[in-house]
Amino acid sequence: QVQLQESGPGLVKPSETLSLSCTVSGDSISTSTYYWAWIRQPPGRGLECIGGVHHSGSSYLHPSLKSRVTISVDTSKNQFFLTLTSMTAADTAFYYCARHSGSYGGTDYWGQGTLVTVS
Amino acid sequence: QSVLTQPPSVSAAPGQKVTISCSGSSSNIANNIVSWYQHLPGTAPKLLIYDNNKRPSGIPDRFSGSKTGASATLGITGLQTGDEADYYCGTWDTTLSAGVFGGGTKLTVL
Repeated sequence: QVQLQESGPGLVKPSETLSLSCTVSGDSISTSTYYWAWIRQPPGRGLECIGGVHHSGSSYLHPSLKSRVTISVDTSKNQFFLTLTSMTAADTAFYYCARHSGSYGGTDYWGQGTLVTVS
Repeated sequence: QSVLTQPPSVSAAPGQKVTISCSGSSSNIANNIVSWYQHLPGTAPKLLIYDNNKRPSGIPDRFSGSKTGASATLGITGLQTGDEADYYCGTWDTTLSAGVFGGGTKLTVL
């Protein structure tokens, strides 16, 4: 059974940088055919794609966040990471890490999510 | 404003059928694969439909997906109170080179 677990601070000050990690079990990031992604949900709003990465080096970032986001991988620890700079109140959201197919045909495993508040 | 358009809410009685629409464009739905998710507050979204119309193991056949052109539809038959949740469609957007989701539809089972 594939499991993902986010970890990181629940509170970030405006203008600071958010760093989240996602620990994967039940699948190996270094050999998986899947992409490893970050998705967020601001309070009262819908899901927003942040970006994703494949162990081959292929990656994508949503244009609206591209200038502030880095997604990286540590295959030795089977973890991947999100860094989001210059945080504002608009970045307050539940942040989910997840796994999706290469064709973006379905995001089949998600972490439980972590609430990040900017204040 | 979400790239994909869903109705904010739908409702139906237990045992009835409901459909949830997801409208996009040639940049996304028309030329890419659609998936659907069920989301209860405080929990991880659950994949209901992948590859437009396939159900993952464990998802009952009460849930179905279809796609025509730049629109997709999620169907739920035999509604149960446990189906009350937010439902999202998702796909790839070729112009944005990123995933996109609908704004979500809240299902109420009266």
